Amino acid sequence: AQSVAQPEDQVNVAEGNPLTVKCTYSVSGNPYLFWYVQYPNRGLQFLLKYITGDNLVKGSYGFEAEFNKSQTSFHLKKPSALVSDSALYFCAVRDSYQLIWGAGTKLIIKP
Amino acid sequence: DAGVTQSPTHLIKTRGQHVTLRCSPISGHKSVSWYQQVLGQGPQFIFQYYEKEERGRGNFPDRFSARQFPNYSSELNVNALLLGDSALYLCASSFRPGENNEQFFGPGTRLTVL
Repeated sequence: AQSVAQPEDQVNVAEGNPLTVKCTYSVSGNPYLFWYVQYPNRGLQFLLKYITGDNLVKGSYGFEAEFNKSQTSFHLKKPSALVSDSALYFCAVRDSYQLIWGAGTKLIIKP
Repeated sequence: DAGVTQSPTHLIKTRGQHVTLRCSPISGHKSVSWYQQVLGQGPQFIFQYYEKEERGRGNFPDRFSARQFPNYSSELNVNALLLGDSALYLCASSFRPGENNEQFFGPGTRLTVL
C-alpha cells in the first residue's frame, strides 16, 4: 500500500531563512507525489507535483520540491521564508483514484 | 473562473440526524472526490465520482453515500450521525481521474455533531 510520512509535526524558521518541510514515501511502482498547503479555515491549495522528469520541481509561491528516489523523499523547500508562508503543509501520494495524505507539518515563520 | 464551491460552510447537527453536503466542481471538471479531515490529521478519502459513476470508495461505513449529477455537481450524505463524524469535509475536483491530474479543493464544510 502507498503511504507518506511527514516526520515533523512543526517546523520553525526565521523570516528570510531557507525552509525545508520533509516528506518520505513508500510506493509500489512510480510515485506520483504532491504538496498542498492549508491556511486556517481554508481548503487545501495545490503547490506542486512530481510525475516524472526533473528531480527538482518548481511550484507556486516560490516553493520547490526535490524528488530523491534513493532516499524515497520529496522534501518541500523555499530559499527565503515569508511570514505569510506560515500554514499547514501536506504531502500526498496518488494511489489509483485517491490521494494518500501525510499527517501534515505546521510551518511557523517568525519575523 | 470560480473555484470549487461547497455548501453549507458550517453545519451543526445532533447525533442520529442526517446531513447532506453539496459541491460544485470547477467548470469543465468531470471528477469529484470527497475527503474527511479530522482536526489535526490529514484528509481521508471517502469517495470519487467520474461521469456520474462511483470510481472509488474509501474505508467508511455505509452511513456515508454520495452521488454525482449530470452537471457534475455532487452530494455527500451521512446518515445516523455520530460524534466522531465531526470534521471538515472537503470536496475536490479534477478534469478526470488519473495520476497526472491534480485535485483542486473547495473551502470545505465544517460539520459539528453534538
